[in-house]
Amino acid sequence: QQQVKQSPQSLIVQKGGISIINCAYENTAFDYFPWYQQFPGKGPALLIAIRPDVSEKKEGRFTISFNKSAKQFSLHIMDSQPGDSATYFCAASTLSGTYKYIFGTGTRLKVLA
Amino acid sequence: EAQVTQNPRYLITVTGKKLTVTCSQNMNHEYMSWYRQDPGLGLRQIYYSMNVEVTDKGDVPEGYKVSRKEKRNFPLILESPSPNQTSLYFCASSPHGGKTEAFFGQGTRLTVV
Repeated sequence: QQQVKQSPQSLIVQKGGISIINCAYENTAFDYFPWYQQFPGKGPALLIAIRPDVSEKKEGRFTISFNKSAKQFSLHIMDSQPGDSATYFCAASTLSGTYKYIFGTGTRLKVLA
Repeated sequence: EAQVTQNPRYLITVTGKKLTVTCSQNMNHEYMSWYRQDPGLGLRQIYYSMNVEVTDKGDVPEGYKVSRKEKRNFPLILESPSPNQTSLYFCASSPHGGKTEAFFGQGTRLTVV
């Protein structure tokens, strides 16, 4: 129930294409869903986050789509660029209780020039 | 500059030799945590601390210890390291745990031979 399942494990996209990474969860108590971006040799950094009261959040080329009934959320990267090549982690947490994140297993994205 | 600082960045040690990985944050955050990152497994929480002298186990605490004597510092201690603790370790801090953005250190790559 505490798991967050992330797919695909790796993704190769041409420059200018759309990258899509999916996550699914079971615990309906989760109410905060961030995405973290990690470049090689660096720690993860917050990219974008969503709360379940909205179905979509967009920041520049990055969009989170959220489907509460299906318990799924996804990250869309429009006009993907080589500089977007990184590992992406979805996560889920509750805004009360132990306040911990549960992370997905990560997606390694490579954008070809 | 707001940051989480881990030391050392790289460490090779032998089985059974006690070691400490230090973590310090300069953002006056209450919540700090340690994660290990392994291929295919994502980020798994080892221990967390909600404030000074308040620590608790995460998902994979076996073989690790922590302490939180000061707000800014949260060292990770391996009393008797074993090869299965070879991993990439991250310290993170946030104002209020899973409610808010987590700030990660640069990581410590530990190899136990």
